[in-house]
Amino acid sequence: DTEVTQTPKHLVMGMTNKKSLKCEQHMGHRAMYWYKQKAKKPPELMFVYSYEKLSINESVPSRFSPECPNSSLLNLHLHALQPEDSALYLCASSQDPGILYEQYFGPGTRLTVT
Amino acid sequence: GQQVMQIPQYQHVQEGEDFTTYCNSSTTLSNIQWYKQRPGGHPVFLIQLVKSGEVKKQKRLTFQFGEAKKNSSLHITATQTTDVGTYFCAGQLETSYDKVIFGPGTSLSVIP
Repeated sequence: DTEVTQTPKHLVMGMTNKKSLKCEQHMGHRAMYWYKQKAKKPPELMFVYSYEKLSINESVPSRFSPECPNSSLLNLHLHALQPEDSALYLCASSQDPGILYEQYFGPGTRLTVT
Repeated sequence: GQQVMQIPQYQHVQEGEDFTTYCNSSTTLSNIQWYKQRPGGHPVFLIQLVKSGEVKKQKRLTFQFGEAKKNSSLHITATQTTDVGTYFCAGQLETSYDKVIFGPGTSLSVIP
């Protein structure tokens, strides 16, 4: 199984809502990532988890809160978002942090903030 | 700051023509990866280059890593409509092993 799954596929939320994005992989990968991608732009790294611990936070606003409950799951909790946060949110995993392994990306959650 | 650049931004080719995208870094990279993202899809890993001067081939695709490990290229021979998409290079800095920096991508259109 070389698949990364993400739910939901689409999400529309108001600026006062609280929602969560979910990501799951069963490849035994020990590194997991959240990226944000705007239209016609490259993926922009938000967070990296290595062995279930947050290792990189790319100065992401606190209205985005990541969580890694176990080695297979990664969540992104959203609260009080702004319309400019509308984007495709991609989760990825790789075998190990450190020496670069290929990243497997999920299909993404397309988020619209109204 | 550290940057990874790509040219061209867009490329339109007739089916059967060749295509090349170039990736350049302001700093030395420990390795570089290439990803393809189809319209409406997610990035899919193509290849990783690690050694200075390395050349790898995948059918019609040829990847190169520069001698100074600051640049890379992807060449597609005889493009097909299935090659349509955005090609991203992603470099890993020697000083930061947990992340890669994506280039802005080259969007390829193939006219049948």
